[in-house]
Amino acid sequence: DAKTTQPPSMDCAEGRAANLPCNHSTISGNEYVYWYRQIHSQGPQYIIHGLKNNETNEMASLIITEDRKSSTLILPHATLRDTAVYYCIVRVPGSGGTSYGKLTFGQGTILTVHP
Amino acid sequence: SQTIHQWPATLVQPVGSPLSLECTVEGTSNPNLYWYRQAAGRGLQLLFYSVGIGQISSEVPQNLSASRPQDRQFILSSKKLLLSDSGFYLCAWTVGGQETQYFGPGTRLLVL
Repeated sequence: DAKTTQPPSMDCAEGRAANLPCNHSTISGNEYVYWYRQIHSQGPQYIIHGLKNNETNEMASLIITEDRKSSTLILPHATLRDTAVYYCIVRVPGSGGTSYGKLTFGQGTILTVHP
Repeated sequence: SQTIHQWPATLVQPVGSPLSLECTVEGTSNPNLYWYRQAAGRGLQLLFYSVGIGQISSEVPQNLSASRPQDRQFILSSKKLLLSDSGFYLCAWTVGGQETQYFGPGTRLLVL
């Protein structure tokens, strides 16, 4: 799986958009970009994933650059409950082998939403 | 809808004691199941995964073992706990062909 780089921490004002960047310059053509978040003392929560096209769901939007070497997770109207560690993961979907299903979590970005 | 349960939520155990953590999934069949551990301030480490009853794969050699006695039940065990076994243990599931993993609430284990 390709390695990702994220800023260690970010701040955002409540009600504003939070834009979390992720660099994955060694991503290969069949690797997807996944975002999870982990609120303190809880299990990680899936947010969104994509391959090359921008994606949007009820939680967030994912913008992937044309060369796929970086992406941005956008929380359009951040709330205090969005304070969490956000993880960007790139991996190849598929089965078999010892790496099946393995999600490699890095250190992530600590997002703090302020009132 | 699918839900995943883990218990206990917290556990304090002495060194050398046995361990049994349980994970169950509701609302789905034939899930792939995973055990992760998160040490304090660290990322998640995959410990075991299972694609079916009785089928267990281990990612790293360690003091722990896993079993899957039923389709939607995944158990993490140890015969003798070590201090280094302390951490936040997370169970996750996915359905074959889908790549999104869904995590349980976790069990916080402290070995003293």
